[in-house]
Amino acid sequence: TAGITQAPTSQILAAGRSMTLRCTQDMRHNAMYWYRQDLGLGLRLIHYSNTAGTTGKGEVPDGYSVSRANTDDFPLTLASAVPSQTSVYFCASSDSGLATDTQYFGPGTRLTVL
Amino acid sequence: GQNIDQPTEMTATEGAIVQINCTYQTSGFNGLFWYQQHAGEAPTFLSYNVLDGLEEKGRFSSFLSRSKGYSYLLLKELQMKDSASYLCAVRDGDYKLSFGAGTTVTVRA
Repeated sequence: TAGITQAPTSQILAAGRSMTLRCTQDMRHNAMYWYRQDLGLGLRLIHYSNTAGTTGKGEVPDGYSVSRANTDDFPLTLASAVPSQTSVYFCASSDSGLATDTQYFGPGTRLTVL
Repeated sequence: GQNIDQPTEMTATEGAIVQINCTYQTSGFNGLFWYQQHAGEAPTFLSYNVLDGLEEKGRFSSFLSRSKGYSYLLLKELQMKDSASYLCAVRDGDYKLSFGAGTTVTVRA
């Protein structure tokens, strides 16, 4: 199985433009997450979804929006990109029904906002 | 907010043992995870501790002391492929994962 896929792999975006990062999982996991990873700061949670139709804000949600129309897809949208959103973005999923609820990560999207 | 501390860098020799410490202060506790992340790749799950004590999985072991807010990841018989970042993550009372900044381990021949 593919697990989690993300697209695009990398992108250079002009400031002020909008962009949607795509994330799809084929594990039928209930929960999905978006993180950003910056040097020296580790992974920080942007938004999450515990189940299809619900979303929640993480630690750094400003400037980002998400939707969860179905179990498999969890897109992340930047409405008007700013240079501080330059980062590596990881999507993750977990089967919240398991005690360990381990999160599995996609390959990441490297975004540069100029 | 959550506070998770781990050393920034460690260097060790091939075949040796390295111990990566992690201390945490979080709002509630529902388990501690260790992930491995090679440069340019996604984090991959290594271990999970929710009770005090040592969990062993091949060359890797993870220890937890909840009363001390402390964990360590022990890497034995180091191999060159173990050169990576190791991320400590704590699941808090709201079941959200908070990550440390990661420890970059360099294995030298």
